[in-house]
Amino acid sequence: SYELTQPPSVSVSPGQTASITCSGDKLGDKYACWYQQKPGQSPVLVIYQDTKRPSGIPERFSGSNSGNTATLTISGTQAVDEADYYCQAWDSNNVVFGGGTKLTVL
Amino acid sequence: QITLKESGPTLVKPTQTLTLTCTFSGFSLSTSGVGVGWIRQPPGKALEWLALFYWDDEKLYSPSLKSRLTITKDTSKNQVVLTMTNMDPVDTATYYCAHRTSGSYSFAYWGQGTLVTVSS
Repeated sequence: SYELTQPPSVSVSPGQTASITCSGDKLGDKYACWYQQKPGQSPVLVIYQDTKRPSGIPERFSGSNSGNTATLTISGTQAVDEADYYCQAWDSNNVVFGGGTKLTVL
Repeated sequence: QITLKESGPTLVKPTQTLTLTCTFSGFSLSTSGVGVGWIRQPPGKALEWLALFYWDDEKLYSPSLKSRLTITKDTSKNQVVLTMTNMDPVDTATYYCAHRTSGSYSFAYWGQGTLVTVSS
């Protein structure tokens, strides 16, 4: 079965750039999306179709996807961005989520 | 405005069947490309996709849980129903339903989730 691999945790200082990766076989040939989830809340879509931002998502969130890796980049990270982040893709009519990355803003 | 809300039992016993209902508004499940999916999240763990019901009545299931899942819809009530048989304590999780936007390959709208505990 298809798997998406994320680092369990990423730390970043306020104002710096955070990068969270998601790896999967030929992931670049599929569309990747990203969700932000804060404690006790439902996931929120922050990036879809590799690079697109839904309405209301700040411009500091961006995405890329090439080869075997999709990347979520948060520029000028703020304390409010501290959360769990999950990547998601489709493989043969199956929805696959990554294991999640806890972003800590120190 | 698209909204979804999950409902169902908060506690089920091992071996019982779980039935969850997703009641939605703000969109039609008859619109081309639209789908309603179910995703769960055990406490402190990652999201796990379970099933998806498409506008054209196509149904998709997680391969690892397919034998235990059934997804149906009630168009008149704007509801999608998920049943999961033979519940086990490892199935304890928050269960979410979510709206799959046409062509986006993602879930843009999520319900608030409902915590289901499996215990005798």
